[in-house]
Amino acid sequence: DSGVTQTPKHLITATGQRVTLRCSPRSGDLSVYWYQQSLDQGLQFLIQYYNGEERAKGNILERFSAQQFPDLHSELNLSSLELGDSALYFCASSVGTGPYEQYFGPGTRLTVT
Amino acid sequence: GEDVEQSLFLSVREGDSSVINCTYTDSSSTYLYWYKQEPGAGLQLLTYIFSNMDMKQDQRLTVLLNKKDKHLSLRIADTQTGDSAIYFCAESKEGGATNKLIFGTGTLLAVQP
Repeated sequence: DSGVTQTPKHLITATGQRVTLRCSPRSGDLSVYWYQQSLDQGLQFLIQYYNGEERAKGNILERFSAQQFPDLHSELNLSSLELGDSALYFCASSVGTGPYEQYFGPGTRLTVT
Repeated sequence: GEDVEQSLFLSVREGDSSVINCTYTDSSSTYLYWYKQEPGAGLQLLTYIFSNMDMKQDQRLTVLLNKKDKHLSLRIADTQTGDSAIYFCAESKEGGATNKLIFGTGTLLAVQP
């Protein structure tokens, strides 16, 4: 158990809908990262937050957004869902923004039908 | 540029050593990681190495880094059936605002009893 929690574990929804994925980092970690894992794209970095502020963006679609709250949990919002958004979404946390180890949660499997 | 490559599949017999290879293209990468993903699970951090090191050993795991060739390998001694999983190498850079990880394509390790 990495100490990073993600909910829900599975999510099935229809095209055009909006969903919210939730992540709680390890106790004491200030950075939260979101990654997407799909068969065609592999594991890709989406976005990073540090202590409530956005730090870096990767290959994140404009339909996706995220935020980190004062209690340091983070939410990833996916809207106008398309079939191609079906993937595993992972959250990871680390102590800071430097090259610290990143610990991953169990992931949320999103299926868009 | 950012590109990390791994062979897709490796099959070994229980008790043998496994060597999983990874090549990266960004010479400014300063930290390299190995993660393990079991079916239906998140990514488990196995070990990492700084770019100023050539080798790191941690129990059954040995990481070798050849900076000149941008080649990283993970050796698992006395491979067990429980080691069957997908192994990802990942790189990151020191400095800057983020420590996003760039992942390889993953190597599926199958351990035959």
